[in-house]
Amino acid sequence: QSALTQPASVSGSPGQSISISCTGTSSDVGGYNYVSWYQQHPGKAPKLMIFDVSNRPSGVSNRFSGSKSGNTASLTISGLQAEDEADYYCSSYTTTSAVVFGGGTKLTVL
Amino acid sequence: EVQLVESGGGLVQPGGSLRLSCAASGFTFSDYWMHWVRQAPGKGLSWVSRINTDGSSTIYADSVKGRFTISRDNAKNTLYLQMNSLRVEDTAVYYCVRLWNTMFDYWGQGTLVTVSS
Repeated sequence: QSALTQPASVSGSPGQSISISCTGTSSDVGGYNYVSWYQQHPGKAPKLMIFDVSNRPSGVSNRFSGSKSGNTASLTISGLQAEDEADYYCSSYTTTSAVVFGGGTKLTVL
Repeated sequence: EVQLVESGGGLVQPGGSLRLSCAASGFTFSDYWMHWVRQAPGKGLSWVSRINTDGSSTIYADSVKGRFTISRDNAKNTLYLQMNSLRVEDTAVYYCVRLWNTMFDYWGQGTLVTVSS
């Protein structure tokens, strides 16, 4: 149950677009379309932003989008805003019926 | 309104035990699979365990297998995590999480477990 690989940090200026990658294996990210992305502000519980690779829950801005190619999923945030500054985590279902998270990416809005 | 409220965290010595509870409200608890996810101080999220709707199927992360037990009481709308043989590395905020289809759609606010002598 190794963690999925995410960059430790990314940054962008307001209005720009950024992407966060999430790399796993054929036993998790590559094997299922069950990748989710969560946003976590300091001291708060995580919030679901994307599910099933590219679907947005009701209430989540359309500035957030997801995709997947092979064993790597990506979260893209367009039109960066100050309130997007947070930690972001990907997760995937696995062949052992467990769940695995990425190590997390700290997004800084410059 | 969906609410998940964890309790039972605290300070415990290595080798000790603790039972976490998660009180659910605002939805039909018995219809949902439930999970525990933890987060060590300053670290990322780590999945701990899952239980199906009637408690007949459970699964654990390798790091807690044989030491932790997940259970539920659907009559009380409550999820539990019995933690035995606790280690310093189990120190974390423990979140109770609802699974809807394939996603964690609701999270509790978490309860802090500190394992230290």
